[in-house]
Amino acid sequence: SQQGEEDPQALSIQEGENATMNCSYKTSINNLQWYRQNSGRGLVHLILIRSNEREKHSGRLRVTLDTSKKSSSLLITASRAADTASYFCATVLVSSGSARQLTFGSGTQLTVLP
Amino acid sequence: SQTIHQWPATLVQPVGSPLSLECTVEGTSNPNLYWYRQAAGRGLQLLFYSVGIGQISSEVPQNLSASRPQDRQFILSSKKLLLSDSGFYLCAWTDRGRNYGYTFGSGTRLTVV
Repeated sequence: SQQGEEDPQALSIQEGENATMNCSYKTSINNLQWYRQNSGRGLVHLILIRSNEREKHSGRLRVTLDTSKKSSSLLITASRAADTASYFCATVLVSSGSARQLTFGSGTQLTVLP
Repeated sequence: SQTIHQWPATLVQPVGSPLSLECTVEGTSNPNLYWYRQAAGRGLQLLFYSVGIGQISSEVPQNLSASRPQDRQFILSSKKLLLSDSGFYLCAWTDRGRNYGYTFGSGTRLTVV
């Protein structure tokens, strides 16, 4: 079963607006990561937040993590048409040890309209 | 700098034919290596991972197998493809023991006909 589930499944916004995507997971994590995938391409790592961190920033990206609620959110500020892509959250479980295998959610399809 | 190569980009194979997808990593040593499959419009499903040469762990029992003959080479194989093996296959690596993200290859689109 999927460890992470994103919400919403699809999001359509106007250029310049902010986009917020949420992710929930079920079991204790070592870290949580967000990835971006353009249609038919490989995934690109965006940001990683450790279980002892609550917020992290990278450029126009802001990620929060609430381990008590087992949830995370990804905020993209001042969105651009080029941000149109699928966004996935993925978790590394505490139980994974050195293997550090990622478990992915089903993703949010973001469309930014020019 | 580290790079990951995955080929071929697309593949159309008949049912019952064999499969071999290759992935190589450059610029690092002792990486963790992974094979994922993505069905259309879905998230990624972990198929195999490897923490060292000859060490393969399978997450999903199925028609596929994996091998790691060299430190930076990861191969996904099948002796006889099924229609259900169609999908987008992605190879990835990460640094063992550190909190780094994964680096993914560009993927192979496999269509079994």
